[in-house]
Amino acid sequence: QSVLTQPPSVSGAPGQRVTISCTGTRTNIGAGYDVHWYQQLPRGAPKLLIYGNSNRPSGVPDRFSGSKSGTSASLAITGLQPEDEADYYCQSYDSFLSADVVFGGGTKLTVL
Amino acid sequence: QVQLVESGGGVVQAGGSLRVSCAASGFTFSSFGFHWVRQAPGKGLQWIAFIWYDGSEKRYVDLVKGRFTISRDNAKNTVYLQMDSLRQEDTAVYYCAKDAGPLSSGWYYFDYLGQGTLVSVSS
Repeated sequence: QSVLTQPPSVSGAPGQRVTISCTGTRTNIGAGYDVHWYQQLPRGAPKLLIYGNSNRPSGVPDRFSGSKSGTSASLAITGLQPEDEADYYCQSYDSFLSADVVFGGGTKLTVL
Repeated sequence: QVQLVESGGGVVQAGGSLRVSCAASGFTFSSFGFHWVRQAPGKGLQWIAFIWYDGSEKRYVDLVKGRFTISRDNAKNTVYLQMDSLRQEDTAVYYCAKDAGPLSSGWYYFDYLGQGTLVSVSS
């Protein structure tokens, strides 16, 4: 059971827009801590996709965007491309639990 | 360019020990903290430990406290994870992750991760 809650899977056709939600609690996202997103391609290592809720590292296409409100955050992907098929994880800091860093369980994005 | 290369994974019996390493290059190693994050087969990501840029502070998830030790050698640009009293549930790919915040107590997110090293604990 992950501390942050994500849907197990989402799907969309090429060119469409999808969103992935990430729900936390008052000790992590709700406490004001930033949310970060990672993309893990099949058989690959995780890669930073969004940091500080809505910022993109250099090289990440602007098709990827992030937002945060209250105890939740979202990752949006527009203009879906086949190479976007991957697992996506949200991550934050927690001030109460036994782990400083908490993750969502991951969302598998399938491009139809 | 930033590179993190893990090594030292392998098969070990339950109750045994293993040390995994992470060799870093492409940036000022001594200015950044490092984390270890693991991923059990078919599962999600789990944070394990963090060490400050100067090694003065270390943080662990409760389920590895007293069994795992994170350390660093700034002269060798290498971070280590010593794992003792290993259990079958410690079987995972272990990723070394660079903290994004320089010369700080940690920004607690990872701007780079290595390719990982597989640790398998047998019964």
